[in-house]
Amino acid sequence: QVQLQQWGAGLLKPSETLSLTCAVYGGSFSGHYWSWIRQPPGKGLEWIAEINHSGRTHYNPSLKSRVSISIDTSKNQFSLNLRSVTAADTAVYFCARGGSTPMVFTYWGQGTLVTVSS
Amino acid sequence: QSALTQPPSASASPGQSVTISCTGTSRDVGGYNYVSWYQQHPGKAPKLIIYEVSKRPSGVPDRFSGSKSGNTASLTVSGLQAEDEADYFCSSYAVSNNLVFGAGTKVTVL
Repeated sequence: QVQLQQWGAGLLKPSETLSLTCAVYGGSFSGHYWSWIRQPPGKGLEWIAEINHSGRTHYNPSLKSRVSISIDTSKNQFSLNLRSVTAADTAVYFCARGGSTPMVFTYWGQGTLVTVSS
Repeated sequence: QSALTQPPSASASPGQSVTISCTGTSRDVGGYNYVSWYQQHPGKAPKLIIYEVSKRPSGVPDRFSGSKSGNTASLTVSGLQAEDEADYFCSSYAVSNNLVFGAGTKVTVL
């Protein structure tokens, strides 16, 4: 049974850096891409970035300048950093596992609400 | 503003069918057979119900079906049940290793 457990700071001030980590339990860690996806309150989903076990990354062009995704294969974890946050970055952030089909997510973390407020 | 266009709401009575559209461009929906659909209940993570336009993951009832024509994909829920009341999001692989989502459709079971 694959489980994704995520954590990180839930309240940030404008201009700070959002940092989240997702730990993966069960299943293969090396055979998949790992993604971050966010959802502003009451709104739709937005894909942020993905990374595989080799460190190959892909980013949403609209966020690329502020985002970095990293992976720690020794701990089966991957992380997200989003710099210079504003109120527009307030959202529930999910980590998710990609499947054999590009960017299809069968397993998701529980979600972390990150609020940006002064 | 989401990249894919979905109607904000749809409704039908129990036992009836509801179809949700998802319109993109040739750079996403029309260019790839990598359209997925997710069901999301309040406060929960999304659940994959359709991938590669029309394939269902194990455990998803065959009441859920997907299709695509040109730049528009569709999700049909047949034999609507109370537990199908949820938000539904489409997504599509897009050029240059990008992924785009729709804004979501709230399905109400009357």
